[in-house]
Amino acid sequence: DGGITQSPKYLFRKEGQNVTLSCEQNLNHDAMYWYRQDPGQGLRLIYYSQIVNDFQKGDIAEGYSVSREKKESFPLTVTSAQKNPTAFYLCASSSAGYTEAFFGQGTRLTVV
Amino acid sequence: QKEVEQNSGPLSVPEGAIASLNCTYSDRGSQSFFWYRQYSGKSPELIMSIYSNGDKEDGRFTAQLNKASQYVSLLIRDSQPSDSATYLCAVTRDTGRRALTFGSGTRLQVQP
Repeated sequence: DGGITQSPKYLFRKEGQNVTLSCEQNLNHDAMYWYRQDPGQGLRLIYYSQIVNDFQKGDIAEGYSVSREKKESFPLTVTSAQKNPTAFYLCASSSAGYTEAFFGQGTRLTVV
Repeated sequence: QKEVEQNSGPLSVPEGAIASLNCTYSDRGSQSFFWYRQYSGKSPELIMSIYSNGDKEDGRFTAQLNKASQYVSLLIRDSQPSDSATYLCAVTRDTGRRALTFGSGTRLQVQP
Protein backbone atom coordinates (compact mmCIF):
# COMPACT_ATOMS: atom_id res chain seq x y z
CA ASP A 1 0.00 0.00 0.00
CA GLY A 2 1.26 3.49 -0.87
CA GLY A 3 1.40 6.00 1.89
CA ILE A 4 3.31 8.07 4.40
CA THR A 5 4.59 6.36 7.53
CA GLN A 6 5.58 8.26 10.63
CA SER A 7 7.22 6.64 13.60
CA PRO A 8 6.95 6.37 16.46
CA LYS A 9 3.29 7.21 17.09
CA TYR A 10 4.10 8.39 20.64
CA LEU A 11 7.45 9.70 21.86
CA PHE A 12 8.59 10.90 25.25
CA ARG A 13 11.60 13.17 25.60
CA LYS A 14 13.52 14.17 28.66
CA GLU A 15 14.60 17.75 29.14
CA GLY A 16 17.82 18.50 27.22
CA GLN A 17 17.55 15.48 24.96
CA ASN A 18 17.51 15.43 21.16
CA VAL A 19 14.98 13.15 19.49
CA THR A 20 14.44 12.21 15.85
CA LEU A 21 11.04 11.64 14.26
CA SER A 22 10.91 9.42 11.22
CA CYS A 23 8.91 10.07 8.05
CA GLU A 24 8.99 7.70 5.09
CA GLN A 25 6.85 7.78 1.93
CA ASN A 26 6.50 5.32 -0.94
CA LEU A 27 4.33 7.57 -3.12
CA ASN A 28 7.30 8.73 -5.22
CA HIS A 29 6.52 12.29 -4.14
CA ASP A 30 9.20 14.93 -4.63
CA ALA A 31 8.14 17.35 -1.90
CA MET A 32 7.95 16.64 1.82
CA TYR A 33 6.92 18.81 4.76
CA TRP A 34 6.95 18.90 8.54
CA TYR A 35 4.22 20.65 10.49
CA ARG A 36 3.61 21.14 14.18
CA GLN A 37 0.13 21.28 15.72
CA ASP A 38 -0.60 22.50 19.23
CA PRO A 39 -3.96 21.79 20.95
CA GLY A 40 -6.79 23.75 19.36
CA GLN A 41 -4.45 25.25 16.78
CA GLY A 42 -3.86 24.93 13.09
CA LEU A 43 -0.72 23.50 11.53
CA ARG A 44 2.49 25.52 11.47
CA LEU A 45 5.25 24.80 8.97
CA ILE A 46 8.62 23.76 10.42
CA TYR A 47 10.65 22.73 7.35
CA TYR A 48 9.96 21.65 3.79
CA SER A 49 11.92 20.06 0.97
CA GLN A 50 11.05 20.25 -2.72
CA ILE A 51 13.84 17.95 -3.91
CA VAL A 52 16.48 15.61 -2.52
CA ASN A 53 19.44 17.30 -0.79
CA ASP A 54 17.59 20.60 -0.49
CA PHE A 55 15.30 21.94 2.22
CA GLN A 56 13.96 25.28 3.39
CA LYS A 57 13.01 26.73 6.77
CA GLY A 58 9.36 27.24 7.45
CA ASP A 59 7.77 29.61 9.96
CA ILE A 60 8.97 27.94 13.17
CA ALA A 61 12.31 26.26 12.29
CA GLU A 62 14.21 27.31 15.44
CA GLY A 63 15.15 24.31 17.55
CA TYR A 64 14.58 21.82 14.74
CA SER A 65 16.76 20.26 12.05
CA VAL A 66 16.07 18.05 9.04
CA SER A 67 17.87 16.15 6.30
CA ARG A 68 16.76 14.93 2.88
CA GLU A 69 19.34 12.40 1.70
CA LYS A 70 16.78 10.12 0.04
CA LYS A 71 13.61 10.97 -1.88
CA GLU A 72 11.47 8.77 0.35
CA SER A 73 12.77 9.94 3.73
CA PHE A 74 12.60 13.27 5.60
CA PRO A 75 13.53 12.86 9.29
CA LEU A 76 13.00 15.67 11.78
CA THR A 77 15.24 16.18 14.81
CA VAL A 78 13.86 18.09 17.75
CA THR A 79 16.88 19.52 19.51
CA SER A 80 17.33 20.63 23.11
CA ALA A 81 17.18 24.21 21.80
CA GLN A 82 13.44 23.77 21.20
CA LYS A 83 12.08 25.03 24.52
CA ASN A 84 8.49 23.86 24.16
CA PRO A 85 8.53 20.71 22.02
CA THR A 86 5.37 19.05 23.33
CA ALA A 87 3.06 18.90 20.29
CA PHE A 88 1.61 16.75 17.53
CA TYR A 89 4.06 16.50 14.61
CA LEU A 90 2.77 15.84 11.12
CA CYS A 91 4.72 14.89 8.03
CA ALA A 92 3.22 15.39 4.58
CA SER A 93 4.23 14.91 0.97
CA SER A 94 3.10 16.09 -2.44
CA SER A 95 3.84 15.25 -6.05
CA ALA A 96 5.89 17.55 -8.30
CA GLY A 97 3.66 20.08 -10.01
CA TYR A 98 0.87 19.60 -7.46
CA THR A 99 0.37 21.45 -4.22
CA GLU A 100 -2.17 19.17 -2.51
CA ALA A 101 -0.43 17.40 0.33
CA PHE A 102 -1.15 14.11 2.02
CA PHE A 103 -0.35 13.43 5.66
CA GLY A 104 1.10 10.63 7.73
CA GLN A 105 -0.62 9.58 10.94
CA GLY A 106 1.49 11.87 13.10
CA THR A 107 3.83 11.59 16.08
CA ARG A 108 2.76 12.89 19.46
CA LEU A 109 5.82 14.16 21.35
CA THR A 110 5.70 14.80 25.09
CA VAL A 111 8.46 16.22 27.27
CA VAL A 112 8.69 14.46 30.64
CA GLN B 1 -3.46 39.66 10.87
CA LYS B 2 -3.34 35.91 10.37
CA GLU B 3 -2.64 34.72 6.83
CA VAL B 4 -5.61 32.33 6.86
CA GLU B 5 -8.55 33.04 9.14
CA GLN B 6 -11.36 30.75 10.19
CA ASN B 7 -14.01 31.00 12.86
CA SER B 8 -13.00 28.47 15.53
CA GLY B 9 -16.60 27.47 16.28
CA PRO B 10 -18.02 25.18 17.36
CA LEU B 11 -20.52 25.34 14.53
CA SER B 12 -23.48 23.24 15.54
CA VAL B 13 -26.00 22.01 12.95
CA PRO B 14 -28.76 19.38 13.11
CA GLU B 15 -28.43 16.15 11.20
CA GLY B 16 -29.57 16.58 7.59
CA ALA B 17 -28.90 20.33 7.50
CA ILE B 18 -26.35 22.24 5.42
CA ALA B 19 -23.15 23.20 7.22
CA SER B 20 -21.37 26.28 5.89
CA LEU B 21 -17.70 26.79 6.75
CA ASN B 22 -15.83 29.95 5.80
CA CYS B 23 -12.23 30.99 5.35
CA THR B 24 -10.49 34.23 4.36
CA TYR B 25 -6.87 34.63 3.32
CA SER B 26 -4.54 37.62 3.07
CA ASP B 27 -2.00 36.62 0.38
CA ARG B 28 -3.34 37.76 -3.01
CA GLY B 29 -0.71 35.52 -4.65
CA SER B 30 -2.46 32.39 -3.38
CA GLN B 31 -3.47 30.11 -6.24
CA SER B 32 -4.51 26.80 -4.70
CA PHE B 33 -7.03 26.22 -1.95
CA PHE B 34 -7.85 23.14 0.08
CA TRP B 35 -10.17 21.85 2.75
CA TYR B 36 -8.97 19.17 5.15
CA ARG B 37 -11.01 17.29 7.72
CA GLN B 38 -9.37 16.34 11.00
CA TYR B 39 -10.95 14.04 13.54
CA SER B 40 -9.82 14.43 17.14
CA GLY B 41 -6.36 12.92 17.66
CA LYS B 42 -5.94 12.05 13.98
CA SER B 43 -4.07 13.57 11.06
CA PRO B 44 -5.75 15.84 8.46
CA GLU B 45 -7.45 14.22 5.49
CA LEU B 46 -7.85 16.10 2.19
CA ILE B 47 -11.51 16.41 1.18
CA MET B 48 -11.62 19.20 -1.42
CA SER B 49 -9.30 21.25 -3.60
CA ILE B 50 -10.26 24.29 -5.69
CA TYR B 51 -8.12 26.37 -8.01
CA SER B 52 -10.43 28.73 -9.93
CA ASN B 53 -13.28 31.06 -9.02
CA GLY B 54 -16.70 29.50 -8.68
CA ASP B 55 -18.07 26.30 -7.25
CA LYS B 56 -16.70 22.77 -7.23
CA GLU B 57 -18.92 19.91 -6.15
CA ASP B 58 -17.92 16.45 -4.96
CA GLY B 59 -20.70 14.37 -3.50
CA ARG B 60 -22.14 16.16 -0.46
CA PHE B 61 -19.31 18.71 -0.47
CA THR B 62 -19.16 21.98 -2.41
CA ALA B 63 -16.17 24.29 -2.30
CA GLN B 64 -16.62 27.92 -3.33
CA LEU B 65 -13.83 30.32 -4.23
CA ASN B 66 -13.90 34.09 -4.71
CA LYS B 67 -10.37 35.39 -5.31
CA ALA B 68 -11.47 39.02 -5.56
CA SER B 69 -12.89 38.82 -2.03
CA GLN B 70 -10.12 36.44 -0.87
CA TYR B 71 -12.74 34.06 0.40
CA VAL B 72 -13.14 30.27 0.34
CA SER B 73 -16.03 28.30 1.71
CA LEU B 74 -17.09 24.70 2.15
CA LEU B 75 -20.70 23.57 2.15
CA ILE B 76 -21.64 20.16 3.50
CA ARG B 77 -25.12 19.06 2.46
CA ASP B 78 -27.17 16.49 4.39
CA SER B 79 -24.77 16.73 7.35
CA GLN B 80 -24.21 13.50 9.26
CA PRO B 81 -22.92 12.96 12.82
CA SER B 82 -19.83 11.38 11.19
CA ASP B 83 -19.06 14.81 9.70
CA SER B 84 -18.35 16.11 13.21
CA ALA B 85 -14.69 17.11 13.05
CA THR B 86 -12.44 20.12 12.69
CA TYR B 87 -12.23 21.51 9.16
CA LEU B 88 -8.96 23.16 8.17
CA CYS B 89 -8.66 25.63 5.31
CA ALA B 90 -5.25 25.70 3.58
CA VAL B 91 -3.83 27.91 0.83
CA THR B 92 -0.63 28.03 -1.16
CA ARG B 93 1.12 29.81 -3.97
CA ASP B 94 2.08 27.86 -7.09
CA THR B 95 5.52 29.48 -7.21
CA GLY B 96 8.11 30.30 -4.59
CA ARG B 97 7.20 28.81 -1.24
CA ARG B 98 4.91 26.00 -2.33
CA ALA B 99 3.91 24.82 1.11
CA LEU B 100 0.42 24.94 2.57
CA THR B 101 -0.50 27.67 5.04
CA PHE B 102 -3.30 26.56 7.34
CA GLY B 103 -6.03 28.31 9.25
CA SER B 104 -6.67 27.26 12.84
CA GLY B 105 -9.77 25.29 11.85
CA THR B 106 -13.51 25.33 12.50
CA ARG B 107 -14.97 22.66 14.76
CA LEU B 108 -18.23 21.28 13.36
CA GLN B 109 -20.73 19.43 15.52
CA VAL B 110 -23.62 17.64 13.81
CA GLN B 111 -26.39 16.92 16.28
CA PRO B 112 -28.33 13.65 15.74
